[in-house]
Amino acid sequence: GDSVTQMEGPVTLSEEAFLTINCTYTATGYPSLFWYVQYPGEGLQLLLKATKADDKGSNKGFEATYRKETTSFHLEKGSVQVSDSAVYFCALSDQGAQKLVFGQGTRLTINP
Amino acid sequence: DGGITQSPKYLFRKEGQNVTLSCEQNLNHDAMYWYRQDPGQGLRLIYYSQIVNDFQKGDIAEGYSVSREKKESFPLTVTSAQKNPTAFYLCASSVDRALLTGELFFGEGSRLTVL
Repeated sequence: GDSVTQMEGPVTLSEEAFLTINCTYTATGYPSLFWYVQYPGEGLQLLLKATKADDKGSNKGFEATYRKETTSFHLEKGSVQVSDSAVYFCALSDQGAQKLVFGQGTRLTINP
Repeated sequence: DGGITQSPKYLFRKEGQNVTLSCEQNLNHDAMYWYRQDPGQGLRLIYYSQIVNDFQKGDIAEGYSVSREKKESFPLTVTSAQKNPTAFYLCASSVDRALLTGELFFGEGSRLTVL
């Protein structure tokens, strides 16, 4: 079945550092791809999405590009802030089964 | 404000007891979902429902049961048959049954601990 693999965490960076969190996927069709974020003590919320190859999703300074040739959707941010500390989940929509498939999550900690 | 309300936030259970987690939404969404979150394993789908009085098993349905008698409510029962129930449980809803938009709205979760 469809699956999502994220880079192992936790990731610890200093404020203003460049961030990359890797995400690759396996899917039989043409899924949509998503990044969700979970702040401490909260549920998940959608951060950004891309629905077809070469689309770039962006929000709050974060970006990710849907790369069909490498089956990847890496999350990037040019200058992270302490408030970006959270757990980040990559996901794909398995439209045939009408559900989202999530990666294992990557915990990000930003130190001042 | 519109949203998803899960209760209780924290729950302790003795082995052999069934417990029910509540999930209520006032977003008028058709589809609702239950996920289980364990450290290092991400989110795994337990059950989902796309319409009232209908629901489907997810990837890890064994030891769980649900009902969908009302559009706004989707309670999850963790039965004594669930071998490792200690986890963080997240309820979500979607306006789009086919998940074409992919956006799920999540509650704040319920943390269940079996003593």
